[in-house]
Amino acid sequence: EVQLVESGGVVVQPGGSLRLSCVASGFTFDDYTMHWVRQAPGKGLEWVSLITSDGGTTLYADSVKGRFAISRDNSKNSLYLQMNTLRTEDTALYYCARDFAPQKVHYMAVWGKGTTVTVSS
Amino acid sequence: DIVMTQSPDSLAVSLGERATINCKSSQSVIYSSNNKNCLAWYQQKPGQPPKLLIYWASTRESGVPDRFSGSGSGTDFTLTISSLQAEDVAVYSCQQYCVNPVTFGGGTKVEIK
Repeated sequence: EVQLVESGGVVVQPGGSLRLSCVASGFTFDDYTMHWVRQAPGKGLEWVSLITSDGGTTLYADSVKGRFAISRDNSKNSLYLQMNTLRTEDTALYYCARDFAPQKVHYMAVWGKGTTVTVSS
Repeated sequence: DIVMTQSPDSLAVSLGERATINCKSSQSVIYSSNNKNCLAWYQQKPGQPPKLLIYWASTRESGVPDRFSGSGSGTDFTLTISSLQAEDVAVYSCQQYCVNPVTFGGGTKVEIK
């Protein structure tokens, strides 16, 4: 079964740091570009970051650029998101998602259940 | 960034009736490599992650019932549920993937009237 399982979401104070993890199973992890997508309470989906299959290319939303860092460890079938200088507006459910196929365009066919990050004092 | 605007924000439809959701992009989302529209639709039921329904504007993902259909080109797109079922209650979101960053519409909530 193709599966993504996120972890690491907690309550953190503004200015704090956090590292999210996503473990993949059921497919060849190092074939796919992976994404983090977030959803603030009651809001729509917001793409956060992507990393290509070999880790050679990373992209970020302007809202997180310079504060968040995406990485992956293909030997561990794992995706990460290092979140620094957190703001209250980063409060959201964070999803790990996989591209539909190994391809150059990015629509997401596999999603985890998400992990909740709350930034509050 | 390409802005995706959905309408309406919500709609209530009787069981068995048609539901129509619109999505408009701030610029054309035609992919030059294959001349297809890089537009996807997702369904998100309460408490669940999004589920891919349609990509390339009109291609149904495997296992998606044929009552779901996508249409449109350029900047204007539509998701149609031809005969609404109780299990279709959800938020539906469009996404463009022609240009990075990929961007999503704000979502349309579909309920039973």
